[in-house]
Amino acid sequence: AQSVAQPEDQVNVAEGNPLTVKCTYSVSGNPYLFWYVQYPNRGLQFLLKYITGDNLVKGSYGFEAEFNKSQTSFHLKKPSALVSDSALYFCAVTTEDTGRRALTFGSGTRLQVQP
Amino acid sequence: DVKVTQSSRYLVKRTGEKVFLECVQDMDHENMFWYRQDPGLGLRLIYFSYDVKMKEKGDIPEGYSVSREKKERFSLILESASTNQTSMYLCASFSPFGQGTGELFFGEGSRLTVL
Repeated sequence: AQSVAQPEDQVNVAEGNPLTVKCTYSVSGNPYLFWYVQYPNRGLQFLLKYITGDNLVKGSYGFEAEFNKSQTSFHLKKPSALVSDSALYFCAVTTEDTGRRALTFGSGTRLQVQP
Repeated sequence: DVKVTQSSRYLVKRTGEKVFLECVQDMDHENMFWYRQDPGLGLRLIYFSYDVKMKEKGDIPEGYSVSREKKERFSLILESASTNQTSMYLCASFSPFGQGTGELFFGEGSRLTVL
């Protein structure tokens, strides 16, 4: 069975500082990894994904994520946080063998960026 | 752009009422999903469908049923609503690897309160 862990319920960072939201995963086979963001009372929006290739993936709104196979991690990063980045972030994983079930999600991390 | 539309953003129902949550997608995706989102629990899969009239139970199907009479429409049904079904419900459609990008596309969510 595949799983995703987001060890931090909340991350607080000052505006202008770099941010990291952590994610580790467990799968059999090669992982396909995703980050989604959710603003209050909205659905989830796709941020970025890792399928294959370069371990550093760039996505929307200046976010990037680094795939680390040995540590089974896929941490979300941004060099300079904005107050508008405050939201709920979900990491998700799937594999080619997962088939119809699509993604397995972590429990989410709330990012709070203080002015 | 893929559009997933959930017909009701906010609903208030009474215990024992039958509740229908409707979801329509416009990208001809075969796979559609209903998730439930609760604080600290992330997204939990209720049911999914991989073709018209085809459905499979997810991780928490108890108290729910689904209907997929047309490819673009996937409905979640609460036969007799209970207070522990108060939650945010998210519909999604899926473009599997090999046919698309492996991403889930989400609707805006339906926040259900059962009194």
